[in-house]
Amino acid sequence: DAKTTQPTSMDCAEGRAANLPCNHSTISGNEYVYWYRQIHSQGPQYIIHGLKNNETNEMASLIITEDRKSSTLILPHATLRDTAVYYCIVRVARMDSSYKLIFGSGTRLLVRP
Amino acid sequence: GAVVSQHPSWVICKSGTSVKIECRSLDFQATTMFWYRQFPKQSLMLMATSNEGSKATYEQGVEKDKFLINHASLTLSTLTVTSAHPEDSSFYICSAQSTGYGYTFGSGTRLTVV
Repeated sequence: DAKTTQPTSMDCAEGRAANLPCNHSTISGNEYVYWYRQIHSQGPQYIIHGLKNNETNEMASLIITEDRKSSTLILPHATLRDTAVYYCIVRVARMDSSYKLIFGSGTRLLVRP
Repeated sequence: GAVVSQHPSWVICKSGTSVKIECRSLDFQATTMFWYRQFPKQSLMLMATSNEGSKATYEQGVEKDKFLINHASLTLSTLTVTSAHPEDSSFYICSAQSTGYGYTFGSGTRLTVV
């Protein structure tokens, strides 16, 4: 049921931008892409979401390709506290018009000092 | 912002007993809540969707008689693991859907069955 593919792990230097890719080639036209992150033994924390257009908030930017088959989460200036597992998620519509979030396997990001 | 409280944060129970986990939306009403299970070093797996005042919708392969879900009010959903066995040991996480805040997750409950 998982609709996203992410690298297992990545690392970046503190202060540099972290670019986390996600492939969602089977996404449907009305399915949103969500990004959450999870620090060990805690609940996932919302980062950002989008449908077609690029989005930016105080935490990150989300770049979605024109064909919507992939996206990239950008943390502009990574800090040590950004070390976490980052999940790219597709919000899937059910037949009763409700929605559910389907988590991918996630990318373990390590920010190096 | 939206806050979801999950209780207890950890619990140890004996094999064969039942355990109840609570999920509360503290500052918003949630008509829909979700229950996930996460095994070590794995992703979150959706178990069921809980709708206030109606029966839960279970994902394929999840035993509804074993994982009882009750969503009796707009701020509370409960997951009861019945007749727990060691293989039910896992990290259980709830999520609540709110207008304007999207999907907010609780801090999780670590269940250990001995």
